[in-house]
Amino acid sequence: KQEVTQIPAALSVPEGENLVLNCSFTDSAIYNLQWFRQDPGKGLTSLLLIQSSQREQTSGRLNASLDKSSGRSTLYIAASQPGDSATYLCAVRGDSSYKLIFGSGTRLLVRP
Amino acid sequence: DTGVSQDPRHKITKRGQNVTFRCDPISEHNRLYWYRQTLGQGPEFLTYFQNEAQLEKSRLLSDRFSAERPKGSFSTLEIQRTEQGDSAMYLCASSEDTYGYTFGSGTRLTVV
Repeated sequence: KQEVTQIPAALSVPEGENLVLNCSFTDSAIYNLQWFRQDPGKGLTSLLLIQSSQREQTSGRLNASLDKSSGRSTLYIAASQPGDSATYLCAVRGDSSYKLIFGSGTRLLVRP
Repeated sequence: DTGVSQDPRHKITKRGQNVTFRCDPISEHNRLYWYRQTLGQGPEFLTYFQNEAQLEKSRLLSDRFSAERPKGSFSTLEIQRTEQGDSAMYLCASSEDTYGYTFGSGTRLTVV
């Protein structure tokens, strides 16, 4: 059974810092991995999608890496801004299923 | 296309009442998913459809829950005889293989 863990559960940093959010999964047989952002009381916004054959994806100040064999992904946020404050969720799709399995998220606060 | 739409955004109901939520997916996406999210947790899979066929249901989906997707377009999720434990955010998503999931804004259910 696939399990997804995100560390840390919460993070508070001053504006301008570069930071790394971690995601680990127990079953390496994945089809893809997706990072989402969720603002309080809102739905999920997709940030980056990494297919199992890829090692990383970049969008603006965000970079996500995938090491399938070790069951790890990281989300790197460069030059953090207060507007980045949100919960970041990692989710994996297995290669024999269409459903996503989510971690519990990392709650990020970027202080001005 | 404006993305995945969910209605209503909020629903307050008395215990024992029935509620129904609607989801309109992105029109090109043939897969539609329902997830449930409680405070501080990642979303949990409930069920998914490919076109009008319901292909997988979680054990979380008790007999009081039913989902439909007539004609492979919009979907409804009905909860009968609501209980306080049903209070959560109900999220709908649609997907196409290459582009991952797109989520709606969710329906927040409060059972009083």
